[in-house]
Amino acid sequence: ETGVTQSPTHLIKTRGQQVTLRCSSQSGHNTVSWYQQALGQGPQFIFQYYREEENGRGNFPPRFSGLQFPNYSSELNVNALELDDSALYLCASSSPLAGVNTEAFFGQGTRLTVV
Amino acid sequence: AQSVTQLGSHVSVSEGALVLLRCNYSSSVPPYLFWYVQYPNQGLQLLLKYTSAATLVKGINGFEAEFKKSETSFHLTKPSAHMSDAAEYFCAVNTGNQFYFGTGTSLTVIP
Repeated sequence: ETGVTQSPTHLIKTRGQQVTLRCSSQSGHNTVSWYQQALGQGPQFIFQYYREEENGRGNFPPRFSGLQFPNYSSELNVNALELDDSALYLCASSSPLAGVNTEAFFGQGTRLTVV
Repeated sequence: AQSVTQLGSHVSVSEGALVLLRCNYSSSVPPYLFWYVQYPNQGLQLLLKYTSAATLVKGINGFEAEFKKSETSFHLTKPSAHMSDAAEYFCAVNTGNQFYFGTGTSLTVIP
């Protein structure tokens, strides 16, 4: 059983550019969530995808968008990058029977630096 | 809104000493609470979760947590700290489609 994998592990972008981060969910998991973790902070929920549809969104502007593919992998896209977007971006997947007592399995994250 | 509060952003203990990391939650109903650990430059790993089956929950690596509704707490403990326990610890509550995380507690273990 493979875990959650994210790519790339590190990325440096210039302010104003666009970035795409990728995530492969754990085998059998059809729900993928994205979190932003700023330095010294806890992860903040960006959005969740379930069966290719957005299923909840946190307090992030529309320039944060996502996709989920039929194989349940997912992308996070961020347009018009700002310096404050510099953070660790975490992808998490959970099982088809996910409920409030179901844990999420996290990838190792993508460290994005905006200069 | 459901949230968790972690008291103490940094905790230092001696190797072999008791580890106590504090988490309080705010909710009108028993929440579903989790503890995750994050080692440097890594993602989050589940330590344990509360599922209402038992108030004392045992997790991996010798950690356990006790759910106390009267105190709205879910503190994490370990009887004897190891050097390998040095990491960032996050308490979280799951609302169904998202986790709300605390701000984290950095644990330092002194040899």
